[in-house]
Amino acid sequence: NAGVTQTPKFQVLKTGQSMTLQCAQDMNHEYMSWYRQDPGMGLRLIHYSVGAGITDQGEVPNGYNVSRSTTEDFPLRLLSAAPSQTSVYFCASSYSPTNYGYTFGSGTRLTVV
Amino acid sequence: KQEVTQIPAALSVPEGENLVLNCSFTDSAIYNLQWFRQDPGKGLTSLLLIQSSQREQTSGRLNASLDKSSGRSTLYIAASQPGDSATYLCAGVNSGGYQKVTFGTGTKLQVIP
Repeated sequence: NAGVTQTPKFQVLKTGQSMTLQCAQDMNHEYMSWYRQDPGMGLRLIHYSVGAGITDQGEVPNGYNVSRSTTEDFPLRLLSAAPSQTSVYFCASSYSPTNYGYTFGSGTRLTVV
Repeated sequence: KQEVTQIPAALSVPEGENLVLNCSFTDSAIYNLQWFRQDPGKGLTSLLLIQSSQREQTSGRLNASLDKSSGRSTLYIAASQPGDSATYLCAGVNSGGYQKVTFGTGTKLQVIP
């Protein structure tokens, strides 16, 4: 199994540009989520989904959009990139967080200049 | 709101030493607690998952314990090796529509040969 796959691994954007971070899992997990990791701040939840067609906001949703049209895919869209969005982004999935915990992707390192 | 604290933020030990990493949480109503390892520039690798009904889990040289009443979890690493050098994160899953997970900020471990 590939697990959780994130693309791209690295990206540099100019302020104001938009882009989509891709996340795909092949484990038939219903729960998927996006986090950003910043030095000294730990991982913060951006958006999450509890199944296809269902998404909701986390702690830091501003500037990001998500959709969940299939169980496998959960893309994160940056609408108009800002330097404050420079971070490492992780996608995670779970069959049942209370019983099985989470599986993480390898991350996307995004720099906005 | 759940808060997860990991102290110390950094730890340096000589090879072969047994060590304990600490994780404290404020809300004892957690479903489980998960320990992760993160290597520089990499994603999170799950090490151990302890359910709220369990007191400990073991995998090889790793042993994790959970004491809900005191709001503490520990990760014990026996006979540490340079390859154990990494940042260790704990995360607790609480009740809620999303089964919210809260991460600590991690302990950066260096094992000196």
